[in-house]
Amino acid sequence: NAGVTQTPKFQVLKTGQSMTLQCAQDMNHEYMSWYRQDPGMGLRLIHYSVGAGITDQGEVPNGYNVSRSTTEDFPLRLLSAAPSQTSVYFCASRSTGQTEAFFGQGTRLTVV
Amino acid sequence: GQQLNQSPQSMFIQEGEDVSMNCTSSSIFNTWLWYKQDPGEGPVLLIALYKAGELTSNGRLTAQFGITRKDSFLNISASIPSDVGIYFCAPNNAGNMLTFGGGTRLMVKP
Repeated sequence: NAGVTQTPKFQVLKTGQSMTLQCAQDMNHEYMSWYRQDPGMGLRLIHYSVGAGITDQGEVPNGYNVSRSTTEDFPLRLLSAAPSQTSVYFCASRSTGQTEAFFGQGTRLTVV
Repeated sequence: GQQLNQSPQSMFIQEGEDVSMNCTSSSIFNTWLWYKQDPGEGPVLLIALYKAGELTSNGRLTAQFGITRKDSFLNISASIPSDVGIYFCAPNNAGNMLTFGGGTRLMVKP
């Protein structure tokens, strides 16, 4: 059972570089979301989607873009990486009407 | 805006001891979830609470949904080394994305 799959697991970027963090789920979940985890601050919501073609901003959206062209995929784009974006990023999905969210294993991003 | 406080931030205990952590919010919620994050992994759901006053157990874990709907606690009895990790509360209202507390980092000394 794949569940929620994130790639890559680790990434080092130089300031100003761009990249896309991939997230895919095979549970046919409508809701998908991206969180970042920083020490002592829990998980903060970046962007989320309630279905294909629909996205919205979370608590900390600046510097990130998302799109949802299919139910399965929800990529997170950093257009110009900054050191403040050094963090661990988690993708999560859940079904409509269900409260439990399922998380990927995370992507550890370092921006130097 | 809503404030969500989770305490303690960290605990270092002896194996076999009981553990208690809690979350309080300035807002009312319909659901309280508790997640555990093992080192290097994503969070995994431990317990879900859906009704004010509800007390739910899952093995050595016990969690309660506060009567005011603004708080919840999680207890772990007779801790073991594999209890190590970060525990998060995640209150929620239907249709919204989860909001997470700052986490309680638990360390267990064998």
